[in-house]
Amino acid sequence: GENVEQHPSTLSVQEGDSAVIKCTYSDSASNYFPWYKQELGKGPQLIIDIRSNVGEKKDQRIAVTLNKTAKHFSLHITETQPEDSAVYFCAASISYGGATNKLIFGTGTLLAVQP
Amino acid sequence: EAQVTQNPRYLITVTGKKLTVTCSQNMNHEYMSWYRQDPGLGLRQIYYSMNVEVTDKGDVPEGYKVSRKEKRNFPLILESPSPNQTSLYFCASSLDRRAYEQYFGPGTRLTVT
Repeated sequence: GENVEQHPSTLSVQEGDSAVIKCTYSDSASNYFPWYKQELGKGPQLIIDIRSNVGEKKDQRIAVTLNKTAKHFSLHITETQPEDSAVYFCAASISYGGATNKLIFGTGTLLAVQP
Repeated sequence: EAQVTQNPRYLITVTGKKLTVTCSQNMNHEYMSWYRQDPGLGLRQIYYSMNVEVTDKGDVPEGYKVSRKEKRNFPLILESPSPNQTSLYFCASSLDRRAYEQYFGPGTRLTVT
């Protein structure tokens, strides 16, 4: 079946450094790739997403890049801060009968930003 | 405030005792979905609904039922819970039927003994 692989599973960085999380997907028809941040005891929250007609998208310290040929996309966080510490999930849209109606999630990356 | 609410937030029950977890959204969203989250497995979709009276199976639907009689509500029903359904459950909704930009609820921690 369709799947999304996410790496690394844990990532520890020093405050101020950059963090990169990578995902690969299997469905070549996927056209929507969101990233969610989940803080302890809370539900996932959408932080950024990208559609397949663009290769990169930025929002302040967060950026996502997409390589459709290689079927992988990445989350980049610059100038990390302790409040960036959380679990991050990537996801890719799945199409059935030409209609996109669900997301497949990666297994998550626990990011720890050390002060 | 725009939000997805779930109740209860925590539940401990015994094998075989029917239970319902409620989910409600106040954003007039078309799409609603249930996920379970287990360590090392990420979020897996149980059921989803693209409109009132329209529901479909996700990746792990066995042992669960849902209904969508009103746009705002999407309850998850466990007719005969088993220990392997011990998990953290999330309800989500999206304005877009393609499941883009999903808003998640706070989660329900279920333990079945």
